[in-house]
Amino acid sequence: QKEVEQNSGPLSVPEGAIASLNCTYSDRGSQSFFWYRQYSGKSPELIMFIYSNGDKEDGRFTAQLNKASQYVSLLIRDSQPSDSATYLCAVTALYYGGSQGNLIFGKGTKLSVKP
Amino acid sequence: DGGITQSPKYLFRKEGQNVTLSCEQNLNHDAMYWYRQDPGQGLRLIYYSQIVNDFQKGDIAEGYSVSREKKESFPLTVTSAQKNPTAFYLCASSTRPAVDEKLFFGSGTQLSVL
Repeated sequence: QKEVEQNSGPLSVPEGAIASLNCTYSDRGSQSFFWYRQYSGKSPELIMFIYSNGDKEDGRFTAQLNKASQYVSLLIRDSQPSDSATYLCAVTALYYGGSQGNLIFGKGTKLSVKP
Repeated sequence: DGGITQSPKYLFRKEGQNVTLSCEQNLNHDAMYWYRQDPGQGLRLIYYSQIVNDFQKGDIAEGYSVSREKKESFPLTVTSAQKNPTAFYLCASSTRPAVDEKLFFGSGTQLSVL
């Protein structure tokens, strides 16, 4: 059973701090890794994707990938109350559902940024 | 504006009734997907389609059916065989599955049982 694991939280950080969100995955063949942000009652929106080991930065967001440890993380610098949402980790799974390239989602980590 | 349109936003189903959720996209994407989300849970794949007139079952297809007669449209029918249909349903699309899996989501349909 291919799995993506996330700490459900809630993760509470003060405004201006760094929020660190973690995700582990079981399929060693996974090639692509995504972070989606989902506000309550809304649909997910893609905020970061990473394909290679190392760090990828985009504004206040940094995605980190370590394929050897099967671990991907999202750092949010200078956290703002507007960052309060559930963050979903998604990983490609080869041959999931009979087709290459479909995504498996974790259950999400709820982040709360306190003013 | 390009995007994915889901309708209705809220839907109520009576016992034994089939209901259909609409999903339309004007992004010219080849692949379309239906996900189900239960409270506090991740997204689970119901059905997906990589090309017109072709679709595949996902992890939880039982009690659901789909069609893909046009590239732009991928409706989902929740049949009476689905005994626990209350959930948030999300339609998504992507350009080329297995090459670029970045998903774009519609705004979702909340289905409840009367």
